Amino acid sequence: SAVISQKPSRDICQRGTSLTIQCQVDSQVTMMFWYRQQPGQSLTLIATANQGSEATYESGFVIDKFPISRPNLTFSTLTVSNMSPEDSSIYLCSVGYTLQGGEQFFGPGTRLTVL
Amino acid sequence: GESVGLHLPTLSVQEGDNSIINCAYSNSASDYFIWYKQESGKGPQFIIDIRSNMDKRQGQRVTVLLNKTVKHLSLQIAATQPGDSAVYFCAEKGAGGGADGLTFGKGTHLIIQP
Repeated sequence: SAVISQKPSRDICQRGTSLTIQCQVDSQVTMMFWYRQQPGQSLTLIATANQGSEATYESGFVIDKFPISRPNLTFSTLTVSNMSPEDSSIYLCSVGYTLQGGEQFFGPGTRLTVL
Repeated sequence: GESVGLHLPTLSVQEGDNSIINCAYSNSASDYFIWYKQESGKGPQFIIDIRSNMDKRQGQRVTVLLNKTVKHLSLQIAATQPGDSAVYFCAEKGAGGGADGLTFGKGTHLIIQP
């Protein structure tokens, strides 16, 4: 499986600011996704990061709040914009190798606290 | 997907015993399922997967059972060890094809008692 890294691993941010989270994979992957895991809860899909085009967002998530980039097959960023305390969560990137499903592997996550 | 509560169900098992973790999934059209293990402070770790054309799949010390009739998935862990203590999530992928992400279940906190 791929080695996935995320930066930063954690951060504490002030309300109203923005934070960009990076996800780097050590090999080319077909699919990249971003998830949110609120404290003590399960994971929720935010969006699919599409290479060279706009991300595909799930219901309840919008591009203005969570802009995503994916310039190539090994890298993606998620920005959490105009943060509020409700955005305090773990943000995780995952990768997959095929379009027809198959395993998805997760990065270590970025733990975000908004004050 | 399923709603998520603030408190995870907890399963406590004696070391060496077998454990069974259950999951009810929501979409009858889902065609692919994965079990993940998440330790504190880490991302989910892939354990085992199963496609909807199967009802059982075995790995090392783990077995996944799929009952499509009642939309139920289970993970059996044999001869549990202290390192098995973690939160376990089931996840499903829809049958729409393409690049769908996963819908996760609530999670179960497995505690291995010495």
